[in-house]
Amino acid sequence: SQQGEEDPQALSIQEGENATMNCSYKTSINNLQWYRQNSGRGLVHLILIRSNEREKHSGRLRVTLDTSKKSSSLLITASRAADTASYFCATGKETSGSRLTFGEGTQLTVNP
Amino acid sequence: DTGVSQDPRHKITKRGQNVTFRCDPISEHNRLYWYRQTLGQGPEFLTYFQNEAQLEKSRLLSDRFSAERPKGSFSTLEIQRTEQGDSAMYLCASSEGEYDGYTFGSGTRLTVV
Repeated sequence: SQQGEEDPQALSIQEGENATMNCSYKTSINNLQWYRQNSGRGLVHLILIRSNEREKHSGRLRVTLDTSKKSSSLLITASRAADTASYFCATGKETSGSRLTFGEGTQLTVNP
Repeated sequence: DTGVSQDPRHKITKRGQNVTFRCDPISEHNRLYWYRQTLGQGPEFLTYFQNEAQLEKSRLLSDRFSAERPKGSFSTLEIQRTEQGDSAMYLCASSEGEYDGYTFGSGTRLTVV
């Protein structure tokens, strides 16, 4: 079974708006990562946040992590049509080395 | 080094045949992973190498699946006696360290007919 669960499953917004995706997980982690996947392609790493961090920024991306609630959020600001993709969270557990467990993803559509 | 390469990009095979996929990771990366992804789902872990050692294998992986990474460089994933349920995208990824993100290849799409 998947460790992470993304919410919502699908999100449709207009260009320029912000997009927020959420991820919940079940067991203790040592890091959480977000990936983007364009249709039919491999995944691209976006950002990694360690379990002792609460917030991280990279360009138009902002990730938060709340280990007490076992949840994370990914915010994409000023979205562009090119941001249309599936977004996955992935968790690394303390006992599994660097192996990641992926959620089922959020399909983001940004309309021009 | 242009990233993680996977070959072939597409493979159509008849049920019962054996197939082998190849992955060439980024040369500096000592960790290599195989995942499987079906439509509308997230990637599902199959197996993981650190250098040439296979450190973990998913319990979901039947004995029809085997992976190798000789000399800690490229890796192969073989599926014997393929079944229709094996149809999926097989993704390879590599990473340098425990807190580094994965670099994924473009995947091999397997269709079993």
